[in-house]
Amino acid sequence: QKEVEQDPGPLSVPEGAIVSLNCTYSNSAFQYFMWYRQYSRKGPELLMYTYSSGNKEDGRFTAQVDKSSKYISLFIRDSQPSDSATYLCATRAGNNRLAFGKGNQVVVIP
Amino acid sequence: NAGVTQTPKFQVLKTGQSMTLQCAQDMNHNSMYWYRQDPGMGLRLIYYSASEGTTDKGEVPNGYNVSRLNKREFSLRLESAAPSQTSVYFCASSVTDRGNSPLHFGNGTRLTVT
Repeated sequence: QKEVEQDPGPLSVPEGAIVSLNCTYSNSAFQYFMWYRQYSRKGPELLMYTYSSGNKEDGRFTAQVDKSSKYISLFIRDSQPSDSATYLCATRAGNNRLAFGKGNQVVVIP
Repeated sequence: NAGVTQTPKFQVLKTGQSMTLQCAQDMNHNSMYWYRQDPGMGLRLIYYSASEGTTDKGEVPNGYNVSRLNKREFSLRLESAAPSQTSVYFCASSVTDRGNSPLHFGNGTRLTVT
């Protein structure tokens, strides 16, 4: 079983909508969770990270961890065309390496 | 603010040729990584170096070798390229390989093996 699973389907939303992205992880011992954003032809960049469980908010972005269901989520409020990118979830897995989900391509339509 | 610099940006190789991908970081980070990114497969770790003088295999090390030349530089070598190694290669670095220490990525090397 992969350490983190992310359904890699693309997502198109109209400008101003809420974007909701989800991942599941395999091991309840994992404690560090991150979301990366990757623009086309660029490297991923860290968007947010959370430790253990609960919510973390940064402007229009909210990251959420539900340890009981081993579920991590990213919400983008009032989405903008500049939010169009691929979003990857990640967790610090075995041997301290960072394991990534496959990514969701998000397109925000003006 | 260079961050993580990868060279070259693009490369085309014939099957059996060798090449070295170069990576350098100027953030005084201890840990460095090589990932490959393929459609539908996400980012997969090839090799990493937790600190200067150490290297370890990741998820997909076969066909690759690495050298941590010094604290700043971490190179990836393909000794005999195969079409299956066509991919986008990303180098990354972090302060440590622990906890919430985030990875900082370069902008990738796009490699095609024909």
